[in-house]
Amino acid sequence: EFVLTQSPGTLSLSPGERATLSCRASQSVSSSYLAWYQQKPGQAPRLLIYGASSRATGIPDRFSGSGSGTDFTLTISRLEPEDFAVYYCQQYGSTTQYTFGQGTKLEIK
Amino acid sequence: EVQLVESGGGLIQPGGSLRLSCAVSGFSVSHNYVSWVRQAPGKGLEWVSVIYSGDRTYYADSVKGRFIISRENSKNTLYLQMNDLRVEDTAVYYCARDLMGMIDFWGQGTLVTVSS
Repeated sequence: EFVLTQSPGTLSLSPGERATLSCRASQSVSSSYLAWYQQKPGQAPRLLIYGASSRATGIPDRFSGSGSGTDFTLTISRLEPEDFAVYYCQQYGSTTQYTFGQGTKLEIK
Repeated sequence: EVQLVESGGGLIQPGGSLRLSCAVSGFSVSHNYVSWVRQAPGKGLEWVSVIYSGDRTYYADSVKGRFIISRENSKNTLYLQMNDLRVEDTAVYYCARDLMGMIDFWGQGTLVTVSS
């Protein structure tokens, strides 16, 4: 079973600070098929990053993704008020089963 | 403009069946992968199923044998037939355009509540 573990569960920061979110896979993610999504309350998720490090259309450059193999990171360089939300990583290297991490809640300190 | 609009959710008793629909505009369901993803109340995202442009279908282990994904090309609509529903199937169900795994457009979701 493919498992993605996100840490921390909750991250408390202030606007203007840097956020670093981690996603660790139980096995290597094929060809960096790793995506990140942002979800705000009452809304559908929004694709931020795909292929571990490519920004989706319209995503500000303060969002960046990195990593390979089993360890991946989402970094938000300077937090804006609208960035406080829940973030999920997802692997799609196994095309017959996709897996999401359990999420990291980014809250205002 | 890409839009996905789900419908068909509601309250259903355990063991019952329900069919969700997803009306799509802005892209062709016959030429794209389309997935269902669900989210239990207060919980994280769980991928449910995908249908490929070539008609292959895949399911999460938790729904395999109970759910069936299909599409109607003439209506550009995706379906999810859900049978033998369980309490743990209670969730908001999203349909979404699937670009070989990464999901770039999502519907607004439809709530399915399984309860006696």
